[in-house]
Amino acid sequence: EDQVTQSPEALRLQEGESSSLNCSYTVSGLRGLFWYRQDPGKGPEFLFTLYSAGEEKEKERLKATLTKKESFLHITAPKPEDSATYLCAVQGAQKLVFGQGTRLTINP
Amino acid sequence: DGGITQSPKYLFRKEGQNVTLSCEQNLNHDAMYWYRQDPGQGLRLIYYSQIVNDFQKGDIAEGYSVSREKKESFPLTVTSAQKNPTAFYLCASSIDREGGQETQYFGPGTRLLVL
Repeated sequence: EDQVTQSPEALRLQEGESSSLNCSYTVSGLRGLFWYRQDPGKGPEFLFTLYSAGEEKEKERLKATLTKKESFLHITAPKPEDSATYLCAVQGAQKLVFGQGTRLTINP
Repeated sequence: DGGITQSPKYLFRKEGQNVTLSCEQNLNHDAMYWYRQDPGQGLRLIYYSQIVNDFQKGDIAEGYSVSREKKESFPLTVTSAQKNPTAFYLCASSIDREGGQETQYFGPGTRLLVL
């Protein structure tokens, strides 16, 4: 069975303090790994898709990387507006499986 | 602007009542999905549809029903058989479930509360 585990569950950082969120997965036949951002009371907003180990993608202060067992979402010099829940999902042969998310808070 | 709309934003259900959540997309996507989100849990798939007039059960379909009469629309009915319906419901769509390019885009969600 495909599984996704995100850590930590919650992370509190000071503005400008860089860190990484982890997404560990087990899947038979990875077809894609997805990162989303979700603000309270809103639908997830698509950030990145990664397809193969070694792939990296960047968007503003965010950079996603992928290995055969996990993905990292690196956030560099975050700002308060980066506060949100970040969701990771993997696409195997059958369906998209989501992790429970990491709730990120950036204090000014 | 292309996107996915869900209505209403909030919905209240009385005991024994069926309620229907609306989902419309103008992205010309073939596949559409319904998820349920509960605090501290990942999104769970309720139903999905790859083409008009066809849909499949997801992991937690019991107590729910759907229809797909038009490409743009995928309404979800929460029936009285669903004993714990309080949750945030998310609709999503993607280009083609089978083609490999399956990035799903989400609507703004509907929060269902039980009176």
